[in-house]
Amino acid sequence: GQQVMQIPQYQHVQEGEDFTTYCNSSTTLSNIQWYKQRPGGHPVFLIQLVKSGEVKKQKRLTFQFGEAKKNSSLHITATQTTDVGTYFCAGFGSGNTGKLIFGQGTTLQVKP
Amino acid sequence: DTGVSQDPRHKITKRGQNVTFRCDPISEHNRLYWYRQTLGQGPEFLTYFQNEAQLEKSRLLSDRFSAERPKGSFSTLEIQRTEQGDSAMYLCASSLRTGSRETQYFGPGTRLLVL
Repeated sequence: GQQVMQIPQYQHVQEGEDFTTYCNSSTTLSNIQWYKQRPGGHPVFLIQLVKSGEVKKQKRLTFQFGEAKKNSSLHITATQTTDVGTYFCAGFGSGNTGKLIFGQGTTLQVKP
Repeated sequence: DTGVSQDPRHKITKRGQNVTFRCDPISEHNRLYWYRQTLGQGPEFLTYFQNEAQLEKSRLLSDRFSAERPKGSFSTLEIQRTEQGDSAMYLCASSLRTGSRETQYFGPGTRLLVL
């Protein structure tokens, strides 16, 4: 079945350093979504990318959708302690389905 | 509107007991989803509804699990004869699908522990 994979699984950075997480799908996606889950919390929607090669920015966060619509990345510039959490990418399954398939997430720890 | 709500937030039960969870979606949302999340993993799709119709169910969902959304508003997820492997966070999400765009808003989850 369709799989969404993320690397790395964990990342520890010093506050102020940059951070990147990568997401790869086994099949072409109609769109890719990113969520953030704080420790003890629930996933919170960050952004959706739809177009091939699309790049979107939210303050220090930059999201990219690959040309083949099978991969995506999230880059955080100059991390802050408030960036701590697990970042998930997710894509809809093939066909006309509402089934959102999540990657296993990248957990970011930021040392002050 | 205060977002998606779930009740209870925590549930401890003994193996073999039945449990039922409730989800109240954002009021104008037509789609409602159930996911299960275990430690260190992403949410895993269980089932979803469009209005009152259950459109898809994961093959991972055994026949001990049943979900309903009788009037197209709130939904319930029942687990019969619980097993220790059912221990997880059960997340509900709702969305309003327009064309190909859809944002799912998650509730706080119900954490289930089966002893």
